[in-house]
Amino acid sequence: DGGITQSPKYLFRKEGQNVTLSCEQNLNHDAMYWYRQDPGQGLRLIYYSQIVNDFQKGDIAEGYSVSREKKESFPLTVTSAQKNPTAFYLCASRPSMGNSYEQYFGPGTRLTVT
Amino acid sequence: AQSVTQPDIHITVSEGASLELRCNYSYGATPYLFWYVQSPGQGLQLLLKYFSGDTLVQGIKGFEAEFKRSQSSFNLRKPSVHWSDAAEYFCAVLTDSWGKLQFGAGTQVVVTP
Repeated sequence: DGGITQSPKYLFRKEGQNVTLSCEQNLNHDAMYWYRQDPGQGLRLIYYSQIVNDFQKGDIAEGYSVSREKKESFPLTVTSAQKNPTAFYLCASRPSMGNSYEQYFGPGTRLTVT
Repeated sequence: AQSVTQPDIHITVSEGASLELRCNYSYGATPYLFWYVQSPGQGLQLLLKYFSGDTLVQGIKGFEAEFKRSQSSFNLRKPSVHWSDAAEYFCAVLTDSWGKLQFGAGTQVVVTP
C-alpha cells in the first residue's frame, strides 16, 4: 500500500532531550512538509522540502531541525531549544509535478515532553 | 498575507440533519481552496478542492462546497450527516507555488443521535 508512515504514534521525552520524529513515504512524492497541531490553532508549518538535500523554514521553525537525505524520508528533530514541544506532529507530502497541490498526510505522532 | 477563517469552533448537529461549515479566506488572486477532515488522533484526509471552473465542487463522503468570490467564502455542506461525520474539519488555502497551505483553526463537529 502506498502512503505515509510516521513513527512512533506516541512519544514521551524528558525536558532537555532532543527527539527525532520519523516520516517515510512510498508515494514517490518530491515535496514533503512538517506541521505542528495544537488545539484550536489548526496546523502550522514547521519545515518543508521540495527536493532531496534542500529544505526551507516554515512559519514556526525555531527549535526544530530537519534533513532530507533521501526522497522517501523527512525526519524532524525537536530540539531542547523548542520552548513548548508537546503537540501533535503531522507529516505530509505531495507530487511536485502537475498543479494538484493536494497534500497527503500521515497519521501523526503525539509528542509529550515532561 | 493570505489567511483562512473558520468562524465556528464547534458545531453540534443531529444525525440526519444538514450541515454547513463556514470558511472565509483572504487572498488577492483566484484562490486554490481545500477542505480536509481529521478523525480523532488521525491524519488529515482531503474531502474536496477548488482551483477554477464550476463553483460548486463535489467531494468524497457526500460533501460539497461552494466557492463564492463576492463573499470570499468556501463553505462546506452535507445534506444529511451520519454519526461517522463527527470529526474536525479544516479549510485551507494555497499560499504559493511551493505548495504551502494556510489552514484555518478548524471546526469540531459533534453528531448527536
